[in-house]
Amino acid sequence: KAGVTQTPRYLIKTRGQQVTLSCSPISGHRSVSWYQQTPGQGLQFLFEYFSETQRNKGNFPGRFSGRQFSNSRSEMNVSTLELGDSALYLCASSLEWTSDEQFFGPGTRLTVL
Amino acid sequence: QKEVEQNSGPLSVPEGAIASLNCTYSDRGSQSFFWYRQYSGKSPELIMFIYSNGDKEDGRFTAQLNKASQYVSLLIRDSQPSDSATYLCASLYNFNKFYFGSGTKLNVKP
Repeated sequence: KAGVTQTPRYLIKTRGQQVTLSCSPISGHRSVSWYQQTPGQGLQFLFEYFSETQRNKGNFPGRFSGRQFSNSRSEMNVSTLELGDSALYLCASSLEWTSDEQFFGPGTRLTVL
Repeated sequence: QKEVEQNSGPLSVPEGAIASLNCTYSDRGSQSFFWYRQYSGKSPELIMFIYSNGDKEDGRFTAQLNKASQYVSLLIRDSQPSDSATYLCASLYNFNKFYFGSGTKLNVKP
């Protein structure tokens, strides 16, 4: 069974631009969560999607948004990029609930110049 | 104050020793606790979880939970160089929100 895939793996953007990251969960998994990982703040929860609906949301500004498609694939969008958005963005999938075991993808390394 | 606190380390132990990793959490509403291992440049992978007070053992790993003290620990027996990684502690709040600590870097010296 294929694992969680994320594209692109690396991305370089400039301040003010917007970016879209993609995540394909493990086949059969319906819950997708997004996290931001930085050296200073560690791993921080962004949001979780289940059945195309945002089920939970962390404490991030509205510039961070996401969506989930009917095939459970998810996208995350960050608008008006800031230098502080440079981070590793990880997607994790689980079967039904956030409390199920989460499997992480390899991440997308975003650098904002 | 962060929801989950961990000492960043690095924690250095000799090969074959017991490594003890600790974490505290601030919200008594947290129900379950998870330990993830993250190798440099890789994504986190789940080692084990615990939700009842006491100890839970899985091979060389033992998780310990003390809800009264709001304290979670992970013991790694017979530490191997391949255990060298960053260990992330996470709490699950309200069955739907994960809070991660910043991680403790473990170095196991041959």
